[in-house]
Amino acid sequence: ILNVEQSPQSLHVQEGDSTNFTCSFPSSNFYALHWYRWETAKSPEALFVMTLNGDEKKKGRISATLNTKEGYSYLYIKGSQPEDSATYLCASKTDSWGKFQFGAGTQVVVTP
Amino acid sequence: DSGVTQTPKHLITATGQRVTLRCSPRSGDLSVYWYQQSLDQGLQFLIQYYNGEERAKGNILERFSAQQFPDLHSELNLSSLELGDSALYFCASSAGTGGGSPLHFGNGTRLTVT
Repeated sequence: ILNVEQSPQSLHVQEGDSTNFTCSFPSSNFYALHWYRWETAKSPEALFVMTLNGDEKKKGRISATLNTKEGYSYLYIKGSQPEDSATYLCASKTDSWGKFQFGAGTQVVVTP
Repeated sequence: DSGVTQTPKHLITATGQRVTLRCSPRSGDLSVYWYQQSLDQGLQFLIQYYNGEERAKGNILERFSAQQFPDLHSELNLSSLELGDSALYFCASSAGTGGGSPLHFGNGTRLTVT
């Protein structure tokens, strides 16, 4: 994988259901993988910073895992709520300088 | 509030003109990143500065230039503007360059070229 890819592009979830989606990134020269939450009319906000293979991070009902050997990360939302509706971006850092490459995002819509 | 300030919020200008977008990073952050989001596109990395020096370059056009000043604020200059340059331009800052620090985003500057 040469670029950062996120799937699916969009998700519609019923309130109370759990969901997950994927970020695939180049597995060579891994430095860091970030997840951001981007609400409409706002700017992206950091959710997780992950740097080690096998990392698992959790913030409330949202958690993320990281596999740097195979180049993927999963984001999980447990018991989705309408306020979880947003676009979730992942960003990969693959050099020692500063370039972060963002995926196109997964748009999550949670309906009551 | 991320602590990152971008001005102006909106900018409308004509083709061929030149504009300057300004970014003040979060207090204590030394890295500044510029991203472009065009219609139906994701965040495209333009350029990054660390403590006044250019550190990484992305798909930045030759008509675009940037710099980071001693007080760490950054400016993105866009010249000979074309209709396709209309986009939302984000600035982000972080404490370092190693990837262990999250990016803090400003609210963006919406550029419309007519």
